[in-house]
Amino acid sequence: KAGVTQTPRYLIKTRGQQVTLSCSPISGHRSVSWYQQTPGQGLQFLFEYFSETQRNKGNFPGRFSGRQFSNSRSEMNVSTLELGDSALYLCASSRNPRDSYGYTFGSGTRLTVV
Amino acid sequence: AQRVTQPEKLLSVFKGAPVELKCNYSYSGSPELFWYVQYSRQRLQLLLRHISRESIKGFTADLNKGETSFHLKKPFAQEEDSAMYYCALSEYSSASKIIFGSGTRLSIRP
Repeated sequence: KAGVTQTPRYLIKTRGQQVTLSCSPISGHRSVSWYQQTPGQGLQFLFEYFSETQRNKGNFPGRFSGRQFSNSRSEMNVSTLELGDSALYLCASSRNPRDSYGYTFGSGTRLTVV
Repeated sequence: AQRVTQPEKLLSVFKGAPVELKCNYSYSGSPELFWYVQYSRQRLQLLLRHISRESIKGFTADLNKGETSFHLKKPFAQEEDSAMYYCALSEYSSASKIIFGSGTRLSIRP
């Protein structure tokens, strides 16, 4: 079966712009989570969606937002980009929020802010 | 505060030697503990969970609630074990809001 698909793989944006990243979960998975990975801070939880509802949110400013569609695909948006937003953004999906065994990561979108 | 600590950024051992990757956690409640692995140019993937009590690729990890530790061990390292290893936790039986440690890069020398 197809894995978690994240698009685009790479992105270069300038400060002040906004960006939208996409995540298509494994078929049948309805829970999607987002993480930011940086060399300095490591992997940090951004938010989690299940059945189009945000269930959990990490400690990130309001410039970071997300949503989930009825087909379980999810997008995250970062507005007013800052240099510090440069990171690898990872998406993970599972059947439901209790499915820790099936929790599967995508390859990520590498965002560079210049 | 909920936290996962991996004290070693880099661990280098010879092939055939035992490996122990350390992980300590801080959590108010009953956590579920995981080890994730990321091989070069591959996705982050689950290696094992404490509730499964399984051995994957020769690796085992025992949850020590008294010491709040979840160290990853393998008796005989192989070159293909070279990778980045992350210890992580979540609320028990939950895949929500997983908290990751900073990771340990394991390098196996031939």
